[in-house]
Amino acid sequence: GEDVEQSLFLSVREGDSSVINCTYTDSSSTYLYWYKQEPGAGLQLLTYIFSNMDMKQDQRLTVLLNKKDKHLSLRIADTQTGDSAIYFCAESIDGQGGKLIFGQGTELSVKP
Amino acid sequence: KAGVTQTPRYLIKTRGQQVTLSCSPISGHRSVSWYQQTPGQGLQFLFEYFSETQRNKGNFPGRFSGRQFSNSRSEMNVSTLELGDSALYLCASSRDLTSADGELFFGEGSRLTVL
Repeated sequence: GEDVEQSLFLSVREGDSSVINCTYTDSSSTYLYWYKQEPGAGLQLLTYIFSNMDMKQDQRLTVLLNKKDKHLSLRIADTQTGDSAIYFCAESIDGQGGKLIFGQGTELSVKP
Repeated sequence: KAGVTQTPRYLIKTRGQQVTLSCSPISGHRSVSWYQQTPGQGLQFLFEYFSETQRNKGNFPGRFSGRQFSNSRSEMNVSTLELGDSALYLCASSRDLTSADGELFFGEGSRLTVL
């Protein structure tokens, strides 16, 4: 079946790296996404990775994909207080167009 | 370029009423998907439209419906509102995830409160 799991909370100190983890069950995923949601706002696309890649780097963000273990992670380098938000992992399933399966979201708290 | 635009941003309805929400996708995007976000259930897929046709549908009752126009703008409708329909309704647009372009962008959402 389709399921995406994330831990619910993560707390880090400003300037440290944050690593948010996600596991998924469907092996026919095509894209895997990371979205950021601030209070009262919509979802901001941070980055995404195609399922045949194992790493993608975009400025302070690094995505690692382990297809064998169905594990996805998002590393935020030099975490700032403005990075405090809820981060959602999501997968799209081959052949199902714009349908994404979302995790529950990880609330990242950055302490000064 | 302009992002995904959803209207209205906030609305309050009473039980039994119906509501229509609108979504204008990014220019050039032909796929529009709708999601419901609640504290209890998280983000759940409602349906997707591509080239005016419903391509995929989630597990929601028939009170939830949608459509897409020839300019790719989409509307969703909820009839006979229930208290549990209170949620943030999010619209997402993409060119087509079945192609090599995986970018899928969300709007700011329409927050519906049912009293």
